[in-house]
Formats: sequence, structure tokens, C-alpha cells
Amino acid sequence: QLVLTQSPSASASLGASVKLTCTLSSGHSSYAVAWHQQQPEKGPRYLMKLNSDGRHSKGDGIPDRFSGSSSGAERYLTISSLQSEDEADYFCQTWGTDIVVFGGGTKLTVL
Amino acid sequence: EVQLLESGGGLVQPGGSLRLSCAASGFTFSSYAMSWVRQAPGKGLEWVSGISGSGDSTYDADSVRGRFTISRDNSKNTLSLQMNSLRAEDTAVYYCAKDPVEQWRGYFDSWGQGTLVTVSS
Repeated sequence: QLVLTQSPSASASLGASVKLTCTLSSGHSSYAVAWHQQQPEKGPRYLMKLNSDGRHSKGDGIPDRFSGSSSGAERYLTISSLQSEDEADYFCQTWGTDIVVFGGGTKLTVL
Repeated sequence: EVQLLESGGGLVQPGGSLRLSCAASGFTFSSYAMSWVRQAPGKGLEWVSGISGSGDSTYDADSVRGRFTISRDNSKNTLSLQMNSLRAEDTAVYYCAKDPVEQWRGYFDSWGQGTLVTVSS
């Protein structure tokens, strides 16, 4: 079964960096994921598509502070030089034959 | 600039029906697959239904299959979701989302702002 696992919460200080993790279920380590940001009371915003080899393509207007990387079944979203507006929920998402799966999301708090 | 504007949400009784719409602009609508994704209050995202750019192929989550119908009018740049036999657990904000290609894959590169559907007596 295709499942994405994310930690429920993360925190980091203003100006620091944070690395969020999305883990693919066993047997699905070759899958690409997409990362989306959801600020409070807003709709989601597409950040990037991240392949299993670490190559990623970002959405229009996404700052260079946002980057992605991969290792095995892990897909990472790294945000550097954290700003207050980065405080949001971050969802990873993947897709298969006639199916779409979202991770449970990570709530990022900027201290 | 891609813009997706949902409408049609509201309060409906259990067993009732509702039709959502999504007005698209800023891109060639017929060239891209589209989906509906929902988010129950305080919960995560759940994909609901998808449709190819031509409208020839549709896809539904198990939770809504047989009750919800996705469709599109490429002449009016509009995506729709007909929701029948609504249940309390269908209460959510419903988002319109765009695929980056014509053939539906379920990978979203643009989102709308959502419309709230509340199913309650």
C-alpha cells in the first residue's frame, strides 16, 4: 500500500534552516513526490516536484531558499534562512495508477 | 498567471446534493488535467476526483465513487463536481487543482483557494 509518512511537527529559529522529511512506504522508494505549503487559512501552494534521484523542479516564484533532496525512500524539503512567513503546514504528495496519496503534513513553527 | 476560483459551497442536509464549480484562467484549460482535493476541518488533504484535459477519462477515490461526478466544460474553462448522497464526513473545504500535463497523473502544480461544504441537519 502506497503511504507517505511525515512528522506532525517541526520547529526552527528565524534565520536558521530546517529539513522536513517525507518517507515512502516499503516497495515505493522509486516514486517522486510533490511538496506543497499551506499557510494558515489559505489554500495549498505548490513548491516543487522531487524525484528519487534528488532532481527537483520548483514552481513559479518559489524562492531559492527552498530545496529538495532524496535518499532511498526519504524525500526531504529544506528551507534555509527561515522567515516568519514560512510558518505553515507542509504536505508531501505522490501518485500512482489511479491513486493520489498525501502525507499527513508537518506543522512548521518558526521560533 | 494561473487562477482557479471555486464556488458553489454551502450548507446541505445529509442525503442532499450540491454542485461545485471551478473557473480557470491564465492557461489553456483543455491542455491540462484537473482534480478536486478536499480538507476536512483541522485535517490533512484528501484527493477526491480527477479528469483528463479532454474530459474523456475520469478517476475517483473509493470514498466518493458512485456518489460524486467530476466533469469539465472546456468551452467555458470550467471544472465541476456534482456531489450526491452527501454525508457528514464529506464536510470539508474543496480545492480545485491543476495537473501539469493533459493526461491525468494526480500531481498538482496549482491550487485554488477552496470552497467550504458543510453537511449537517
